Amino acid sequence: NAGVTQTPKFRILKIGQSMTLQCTQDMNHNYMYWYRQDPGMGLKLIYYSVGAGITDKGEVPNGYNVSRSTTEDFPLRLELAAPSQTSVYFCASSYPTGQTNSPLHFGNGTRLTVT
Amino acid sequence: SQELEQSPQSLIVQEGKNLTINCTSSKTLYGLYWYKQKYGEGLIFLMMLQKGGEEKSHEKITAKLDEKKQQSSLHITASQPSHAGIYLCGADGGSQGNLIFGKGTKLSVKP
Repeated sequence: NAGVTQTPKFRILKIGQSMTLQCTQDMNHNYMYWYRQDPGMGLKLIYYSVGAGITDKGEVPNGYNVSRSTTEDFPLRLELAAPSQTSVYFCASSYPTGQTNSPLHFGNGTRLTVT
Repeated sequence: SQELEQSPQSLIVQEGKNLTINCTSSKTLYGLYWYKQKYGEGLIFLMMLQKGGEEKSHEKITAKLDEKKQQSSLHITASQPSHAGIYLCGADGGSQGNLIFGKGTKLSVKP
């Protein structure tokens, strides 16, 4: 059981470049999330999805885009990379929140540096 | 909006000592999650608490949610180097899909 898989693990981008962070889960979870983690700042929600075809903004969505064409995949797109987007990005999935035993399952993260 | 405040921000303990990490919410908690993160890795789910006064234990880690459901504590008994990492509390932010997290507590255990 692979759980939540993120690729790549590391990436260095130049300012203005674009890239897609991939995330796939094999647990048939309805909910998927993208968070960024900056030192000393905890996790900030970028975007989330409650099911295929449905996405919504989180706390810090500017500079990012997402799509959810299948239950399994939830890619995060950076169109014009900026130094402020240097961070560690985590993808997560879960059953709908509020149900018993519905914690988030996290991938191992993508460490992105924009220079 | 709801906020989660964790204390302390960092903690260094001698192996074998007990320790407690706190998570305080600005609003009533309807689901409180504890996670552990090792450097360079994702978050590992530890425990979830939902009911006021609830307490759960796994090996040497015990988590409690107070009766008013606004504060949770994570207690580690007889700490070991394997307990080192960052502990984060998370909670339902009030709308579907919106989970919020505290800033984390960095734990170091000296052998």
